[in-house]
Amino acid sequence: IAGITQAPTSQILAAGRRMTLRCTQDMRHNAMYWYRQDLGLGLRLIHYSNTAGTTGKGEVPDGYSVSRANTDDFPLTLASAVPSQTSVYFCASSDSTGVGANVLTFGAGSRLTVL
Amino acid sequence: GQNIDQPTEMTATEGAIVQINCTYQTSGFNGLFWYQQHAGEAPTFLSYNVLDGLEEKGRFSSFLSRSKGYSYLLLKELQMKDSASYLCAGKDSNYQLIWGAGTKLIIKP
Repeated sequence: IAGITQAPTSQILAAGRRMTLRCTQDMRHNAMYWYRQDLGLGLRLIHYSNTAGTTGKGEVPDGYSVSRANTDDFPLTLASAVPSQTSVYFCASSDSTGVGANVLTFGAGSRLTVL
Repeated sequence: GQNIDQPTEMTATEGAIVQINCTYQTSGFNGLFWYQQHAGEAPTFLSYNVLDGLEEKGRFSSFLSRSKGYSYLLLKELQMKDSASYLCAGKDSNYQLIWGAGTKLIIKP
């Protein structure tokens, strides 16, 4: 089934630990995104990538890093987790051109708790 | 600053019609989006408006007024499965999406 796979689904992490959230898509979309979703707030963009080999900072990039070595994979790394990074993280992708550029496909999300 | 406002929660009755409003302030404008998100699941795309007017898609319609910075999502013949959060998002001049906090819609039998 075409779409986005995120892993892990859920994780409890001690503060100070390093954590990588994985994201893989099989739709050959050029653009990929990482969002966090917190209760009472809209989705906030952490980092994005318009095409393989390029990345950019979103609204809330501090404490997070990404890489885009190929079209399909877009991992998000927390170098040293802090409790304020407790959130649900969504990976998304879209075509970078045409009508598809306006439609985001989301992964199922990764629920991260930092203690 | 950029901002998307929508009601936090709404309640409606099965079979009825409900209108969810959204007002937006973005730096430039490149479209208004509605997504549906069931509890514990990923958002899924519902509609996209870039020109003024009403776009109809089955039981769901979306309206845009660019001069008023206003959109609404209209859901007809409500079904229990429509219980979800509805997210409004505006695309700014840099083609970045600005998201509202979502409207939780509760459908009662």
